Order: sequence, then C-alpha cells, then structure tokens
Amino acid sequence: DIQMTQSPSTLSASVGDRVTITCRASQSISDWLAWYQQKPGKAPNLLIYKASSLQRGVPSRFSGSGSGTDFTLTISNLQPDDFATYYCQQYNTFWTFGQGTKVEIK
Amino acid sequence: QVQLVQSGAEVKKPGASVTVSCKASGYTFTDHYVHWVRQAPGQGLEWMGWVNPYSGGTKYAQKFRDRVTLTGDTSIGTAYMDLSGLRSDDTAVFYCARGGPLSIDYDVFDYWGQGTLVTVSS
Repeated sequence: DIQMTQSPSTLSASVGDRVTITCRASQSISDWLAWYQQKPGKAPNLLIYKASSLQRGVPSRFSGSGSGTDFTLTISNLQPDDFATYYCQQYNTFWTFGQGTKVEIK
Repeated sequence: QVQLVQSGAEVKKPGASVTVSCKASGYTFTDHYVHWVRQAPGQGLEWMGWVNPYSGGTKYAQKFRDRVTLTGDTSIGTAYMDLSGLRSDDTAVFYCARGGPLSIDYDVFDYWGQGTLVTVSS
C-alpha cells in the first residue's frame, strides 16, 4: 500500500500569510495527487488534482506543485475562509489520504 | 448541478449491520464510479471501496473486504453501502463521493455526499 505523510499536523497562521503544506508518498505516484479542504462537520472539497491543476471554482490563491514522492500545497494571502483541515490524496494505485493538516488562527 | 444526498444518521448495536444510501442527481449515474470513505471522529479519511453503477462491479480496500458490500440501483440513481459485523470502532461518518468516468481507472473525488454518522453502541 502507498502511504501518504503530511507535515505539519497543525499550522498556526494569520490572515494574509502564505502557508505551505507538504505531502510525501512512500513510493513514486507520478503526479496523481489531489488536495482537499475540509471544514468541521462538512464533506471534503476538491481543490487541486494532478498535483497542480486547480479545480473549477477554487480561488487562485491555492496552488499545488510536485511530482514523484514530494508535493506541496501553497495558500497565498490566507483568508478567513481558509482556516480548515487539508488532506492530500494519492490516486496512482487505489486511493490513500494523508493524515491531514489543520490550519488554525494564530 | 451534481448532488449526492445520503440517508440519515444511524445508531446500531455491536454485531449489527447498517445500510447507508447515496442518491445521485445532476449527472448520468451510470457514467461515474461511486466511492465510499470513512472518517472516524477526529480522524482522517479512509477509502473503503467503489462501485461501478453501470456493471455492478466493485473494488474494496483490503481492510473492509470481508464486511462491506457496495451496490447501485440504476433505476433510482442510488448507491448503497452495507457494513456488517459492526464494532464500536466503526463509529464514524461515512461519505459517498463521485469518482471519475468509467473509462478512467483512477481519478479524484469531485463531488461528495453530506456524510452519514453511524454510531455503534451497546
């Protein structure tokens, strides 16, 4: 099974900050990597697919990069609506999620 | 617009079974895989399996293979998740999610149901 490891687990930031979340796969997954945002009591919402492609309707302050085993999600100019938990997901072989990164208000 | 609407919360005793439904609308039900994902309280997301609504074919995560059955009813555009042998650590929110078109083996989950809380307690 492919394991996905995110860091950090929790990130404290302020509105307007630029934040970066990393995700590492236990083996190469090419660019078959997605990012989701989840708010408390809600279903996850797709932000990024194929490592760097922005899902329709997602603000351009979200961006993704990486390939192989190392990936990043960057949120530039953090907005109040962005405080949430973020998950990476590999879909190279079956589907596996990272353990999540909670972005909280500093 | 695409919507997945799940059935309501359930409370079950250990050893029982539960069925969660997921009604799809806004797209052709038989064109996309439907996946199921489990999220225990305060925990992360865990893929359980998918159903191909067109053929009825399924694929399950090894962890759930012995206890989960995924089906689809094309006449009403609804997918079902049956989980048997419930244990207290099955207490979780279960989500259905639309996967990719049937022509693509692996794809992301672009629409999700609202989630169904299943509580297992004696």
